[in-house]
Amino acid sequence: DGGITQSPKYLFRKEGQNVTLSCEQNLNHDAMYWYRQDPGQGLRLIYYSQIVNDFQKGDIAEGYSVSREKKESFPLTVTSAQKNPTAFYLCASSPDTSKGSYEQYFGPGTRLTVT
Amino acid sequence: AQTVTQSQPEMSVQEAETVTLSCTYDTSESDYYLFWYKQPPSRQMILVIRQEAYKQQNATENRFSVNFQKAAKSFSLKISDSQLGDAAMYFCAYKPPRQTGANNLFFGTGTRLTVIP
Repeated sequence: DGGITQSPKYLFRKEGQNVTLSCEQNLNHDAMYWYRQDPGQGLRLIYYSQIVNDFQKGDIAEGYSVSREKKESFPLTVTSAQKNPTAFYLCASSPDTSKGSYEQYFGPGTRLTVT
Repeated sequence: AQTVTQSQPEMSVQEAETVTLSCTYDTSESDYYLFWYKQPPSRQMILVIRQEAYKQQNATENRFSVNFQKAAKSFSLKISDSQLGDAAMYFCAYKPPRQTGANNLFFGTGTRLTVIP
């Protein structure tokens, strides 16, 4: 089945440790995105990538890093510099927007808890 | 920066009745895209409906329809014949036009919909 997978569903880390969240898609989409969701604040964009080996910062990129070495994969690393990393993280992808399709498709999310 | 406002943090509706969720947005662009997403307790974001700003006709998907008022920058979602499975958080989202180079979505803070049996 085509779709977006995120793993793990729940992740626990100690403060000061870096952690990497996985996002894989087999939809052949060009663009991929990472959002953070906190209670009462909706979704906020962390990073996005429109093509392989290229990515741009979103509104809240500080303390996060990404890579896009393959079209299918867009992992997010939450570094120890992120001051409040506990949140729900959602990965999304969308087709080549130059071809006129603009909606984003989301993965099931990863709940990260840092103590 | 783009802003999307959902002024109703919570709404409730009786099963089989109709409910309307409100959304307003701020933009200086004329060609953009609007979406409603549903987030059930599983937290998976599901696209409900989309609207292109250049289209005057309101989008409809089965029991879901929108009232798009471009001049007022309003984009409300109407759910008809509400079902228990409609209970979820609903997010309104705005996407800037392609020529701006911005492909990301700007989300409102959501409306929690409760369906009463």
